[in-house]
Amino acid sequence: GEDVEQSLFLSVREGDSSVINCTYTDSSSTYLYWYKQEPGAGLQLLTYIFSNMDMKQDQRLTVLLNKKDKHLSLRIADTQTGDSAIYFCAECGGGADGLTFGKGTHLIIQP
Amino acid sequence: DSGVTQTPKHLITATGQRVTLRCSPRSGDLSVYWYQQSLDQGLQFLIQYYNGEERAKGNILERFSAQQFPDLHSELNLSSLELGDSALYFCASSVVPTYEQYFGPGTRLTVT
Repeated sequence: GEDVEQSLFLSVREGDSSVINCTYTDSSSTYLYWYKQEPGAGLQLLTYIFSNMDMKQDQRLTVLLNKKDKHLSLRIADTQTGDSAIYFCAECGGGADGLTFGKGTHLIIQP
Repeated sequence: DSGVTQTPKHLITATGQRVTLRCSPRSGDLSVYWYQQSLDQGLQFLIQYYNGEERAKGNILERFSAQQFPDLHSELNLSSLELGDSALYFCASSVVPTYEQYFGPGTRLTVT
C-alpha cells in the first residue's frame, strides 16, 4: 500500500532555513501537501503542489518535488520560534481521496 | 480558523458506550473526510462523503459509521468503544474530492 516517510525530528537555529524531507511510494499521487500542527491544535494546511509541478513558492515556504525519486521537501526560510510545530507530509491519489500522512517531523528551533 | 467546525471539543466516556461526533464543513465544500490521530497509528483516513454519498473508505472499523446529511454536515458514530479508540478525531472538508482539505480543530475522545 501507500507509504509516506519523514524523519521524526529536525533542529535548526533561529534565522536559519529549515528543510523538511518526505518520501512517498504511490506513483499515482496527484496532490502532495504540507500541514502544520501546533501543540493541542488541529492541522493547518500550509501549502500543496500538483504532481506535474517541480516547485512552488509561497512567501517563506518553498516546496520542491522530485517525481522520479518520489521525494518532496519543504523549505522554511528565516525560521522563527513560531515555526516550532510538527510538520506532516501527505499525499492523495491512487483512486482514493483520503490523504495518506507521514508520521510528522518535529521542528525544534534553537535560539 | 479553517472554517470547519467540530463538536464536542472533548468527550470522555466508558468502554462499551456509543458516541457521536459532529462536523460542519466550510461553506461551499461538498466533501467531508474523517481522520483519526493516535500516538501509535498516527493520522489515519477513516471515511469520505461527497454531497451526501459515501465516496471512499479507509481504515474504518466496523464498529464505526458515518453519514453526511442534506445540509452537508456530517456525523461519525463510534460504538462498543474500547480503550484503544481513545484518539483525536478530525474532520476535514474540500470543495470537491482530490482538492485541498481543510481540517477542523478535532474532537479528543477519551475512553476509560
